[in-house]
Amino acid sequence: DVKVTQSSRYLVKRTGEKVFLECVQDMDHENMFWYRQDPGLGLRLIYFSYDVKMKEKGDIPEGYSVSREKKERFSLILESASTNQTSMYLCASNPGYRVDGYTFGSGTRLTVV
Amino acid sequence: QQPVQSPQAVILREGEDAVINCSSSKALYSVHWYRQKHGEAPVFLMILLKGGEQKGHEKISASFNEKKQQSSLYLTASQLSYSGTYFCGTVGGSNYKLTFGKGTLLTVNP
Repeated sequence: DVKVTQSSRYLVKRTGEKVFLECVQDMDHENMFWYRQDPGLGLRLIYFSYDVKMKEKGDIPEGYSVSREKKERFSLILESASTNQTSMYLCASNPGYRVDGYTFGSGTRLTVV
Repeated sequence: QQPVQSPQAVILREGEDAVINCSSSKALYSVHWYRQKHGEAPVFLMILLKGGEQKGHEKISASFNEKKQQSSLYLTASQLSYSGTYFCGTVGGSNYKLTFGKGTLLTVNP
């Protein structure tokens, strides 16, 4: 089975800190994605990457950036964390074809205080 | 734009059937369905492609009406294990971007 691993299950950070969320997948998938999940809003796409060093903005990219230096790793960066970025962050990957489903990681619950 | 799911929540007794709907205002290439149990990651159920057939396995199936840009998920003879939040996701155009609806909370009681 494909595994998508997110480095932290829970994180607490202070307002203004730079925050890194890490995601690693072990099946050589081309595409990787970052979503945030908030009650009543569903999953909203922040950024995605379809190749190493390539990235595209999703629906809510403001306040975030990403890095993909290696195929298996996709990092989400909060340049200056704010309380409205308190959320569940989910990483996902898929093989690279539009006929494939996504495999999600278990998520990182980020609290910004 | 997010697809619209209905209903927002449904409560069933074990053995009853349910239908969850998903509609989009834009032309779609595919529709995905996922189930998320509380505290867990969303799990892929199935994908329906433009021009494809209705899909399903066991007691969960789905359809995709391309003309109306709508999909429906059918759960028959529900089991307790079906409880969770169901999300549809849509892909349009030529990109990989999967846009999710807000979810439908399904509760199956004994």
